[in-house]
Amino acid sequence: SQTIHQWPATLVQPVGSPLSLECTVEGTSNPNLYWYRQAAGRGLQLLFYSVGIGQISSEVPQNLSASRPQDRQFILSSKKLLLSDSGFYLCAGPAQVNYGYTFGSGTRLTVV
Amino acid sequence: AQTVTQSQPEMSVQEAETVTLSCTYDTSESDYYLFWYKQPPSRQMILVIRQEAYKQQNATENRFSVNFQKAAKSFSLKISDSQLGDAAMYFCASYSNYQLIWGAGTKLIIKP
Repeated sequence: SQTIHQWPATLVQPVGSPLSLECTVEGTSNPNLYWYRQAAGRGLQLLFYSVGIGQISSEVPQNLSASRPQDRQFILSSKKLLLSDSGFYLCAGPAQVNYGYTFGSGTRLTVV
Repeated sequence: AQTVTQSQPEMSVQEAETVTLSCTYDTSESDYYLFWYKQPPSRQMILVIRQEAYKQQNATENRFSVNFQKAAKSFSLKISDSQLGDAAMYFCASYSNYQLIWGAGTKLIIKP
């Protein structure tokens, strides 16, 4: 079965510092991968999705970027974090069940 | 554009009773899927139930069932025999064209 690995679980970063969150997938090849952000008590906002190596689509203009250097690796980055980048970040990929998503355990990012 | 609306920010139910969470959606796609996801305090996203739009029969998974009204674009979740472990945020989502569109969520409180 497919598993999404995501780390770190928690991160506290100062404003202006860089960011790199990594997501890796096991159990499937050439998956579509997604980065979501969730503000406290809110729904999920799609940030980026990727249908293959080097292919990134951005849904929301922002301070973040994404890269897909390998088939099963999806990275979320920022050169300079803003306070507004704080939130809960989730990586997701297609589930074995038709068209559902499997999620990583998430990263709680606090920018101070 | 696709939209998903959950009009109940919070619901509460007595343990062992039944509760229904509402969801409406709007899509121009003919082929789509609908989901309910659960997000407990751990913030792990867990697939609860899914419904293929082309199927008229309502999906059921143990104590969880849906009332899918395609013409009305309504997709409600019924939880029977509510348990303390059901306490969580519940998100309704619509899938088509490689993207899941999310509702804002309903917080479900279980009263012992």
